[in-house]
Amino acid sequence: QKEVEQDPGPLSVPEGAIVSLNCTYSNSAFQYFMWYRQYSRKGPELLMYTYSSGNKEDGRFTAQVDKSSKYISLFIRDSQPSDSATYLCAVNTGFQKLVFGTGTRLLVSP
Amino acid sequence: IAGITQAPTSQILAAGRRMTLRCTQDMRHNAMYWYRQDLGLGLRLIHYSNTAGTTGKGEVPDGYSVSRANTDDFPLTLASAVPSQTSVYFCASSDTRKSSYNEQFFGPGTRLTVL
Repeated sequence: QKEVEQDPGPLSVPEGAIVSLNCTYSNSAFQYFMWYRQYSRKGPELLMYTYSSGNKEDGRFTAQVDKSSKYISLFIRDSQPSDSATYLCAVNTGFQKLVFGTGTRLLVSP
Repeated sequence: IAGITQAPTSQILAAGRRMTLRCTQDMRHNAMYWYRQDLGLGLRLIHYSNTAGTTGKGEVPDGYSVSRANTDDFPLTLASAVPSQTSVYFCASSDTRKSSYNEQFFGPGTRLTVL
């Protein structure tokens, strides 16, 4: 079983829609969970991180971790065309290493 | 420069040739990483270095070598390139002394095609 699994998409939505991006992970010991955003032909950039369970909000973005089901979610409210990118979830597996999901490509059309 | 730079931006290489991808950071981060990104497989760790003078193997190290002679530079060498090494390569760095969750900062990537 992979340590992190993510639906590759693509996910296509109209501008203004609420977007839900999801990942599952395998090890209940993982504590730090991250979402990176990657624009086309660019390197990934950290969008948000959460520690343990719960929600974290930053503007239109909310990151959620459900440790009971080993589920990570990123919600985008009022999605904009500028949100079109690939979103990668990542977990810190310990020893300062990150394991990334395969990424979900999001397309927001005007 | 600010952040991480990688060179070259792209390269087409004949199979069997030796190639070194360069990576330099100016943030004085202690840790550096090399990933490859392939469609459907995501980012996979090739090698990493927690501090100058030390390196370690990641998930897909075969066919690659690294060195970390100083804090700023972390070159990745393909000794004898093969077509399966066609990929986009990203260098990243982090300050593991400050970030408990290990925020990694990525370079712009090198697109490598091995024919």
